[in-house]
Amino acid sequence: SQTIHQWPATLVQPVGSPLSLECTVEGTSNPNLYWYRQAAGRGLQLLFYSVGIGQISSEVPQNLSASRPQDRQFILSSKKLLLSDSGFYLCAWTWAVNTEAFFGQGTRLTVV
Amino acid sequence: KNQVEQSPQSLIILEGKNCTLQCNYTVSPFSNLRWYKQDTGRGPVSLTIMTFSENTKSNGRYTATLDADTKQSSLHITASQLSDSASYICVVSAGREIKAAGNKLTFGGGTRVLVKP
Repeated sequence: SQTIHQWPATLVQPVGSPLSLECTVEGTSNPNLYWYRQAAGRGLQLLFYSVGIGQISSEVPQNLSASRPQDRQFILSSKKLLLSDSGFYLCAWTWAVNTEAFFGQGTRLTVV
Repeated sequence: KNQVEQSPQSLIILEGKNCTLQCNYTVSPFSNLRWYKQDTGRGPVSLTIMTFSENTKSNGRYTATLDADTKQSSLHITASQLSDSASYICVVSAGREIKAAGNKLTFGGGTRVLVKP
């Protein structure tokens, strides 16, 4: 069976510090991978998606970047965090258009 | 621009009662529509997924309907339980190709449901 792992679960970082959130998928190959951010009480906003290794599409201009160094690994990064980067970050994967999307448990990021 | 609108934003219901959540979308080309349940501080969990040709799908006490002509969907919760308290998110997938850059999910803002005893 397929599983998705996302870590850490919570993170408190000072403004200006770097960020690295990691997401890995097991039990499937060549998944579509997604990073979302959810502000408090708001819907999910797509940040990045990837259809293959090294292929990253960005939905909104921002202080973040994403990388896919391996087929089942998706990393969300920042060189210098801003206060506005605080939020709940979710990683997700789908195999194809008509299949279900599976989400990680999320990372609560607080930038102080 | 692809959009998914949900209503109401929030609702409070008494335990044992039924409720219906609404989802309107403008997503093209439409691939499928999904309803997710998200507990506070957790990732969304899938309830149902419907393609263009499906009108209704049930998962226990959850029943989703889809009207592809009017681009509307609803999620009906029957005999609500305290554990149904959560956010319910409507998600529409666009794209025709199986593995293409067009395979993106558009999320609604969610409906926060609170079930009271």
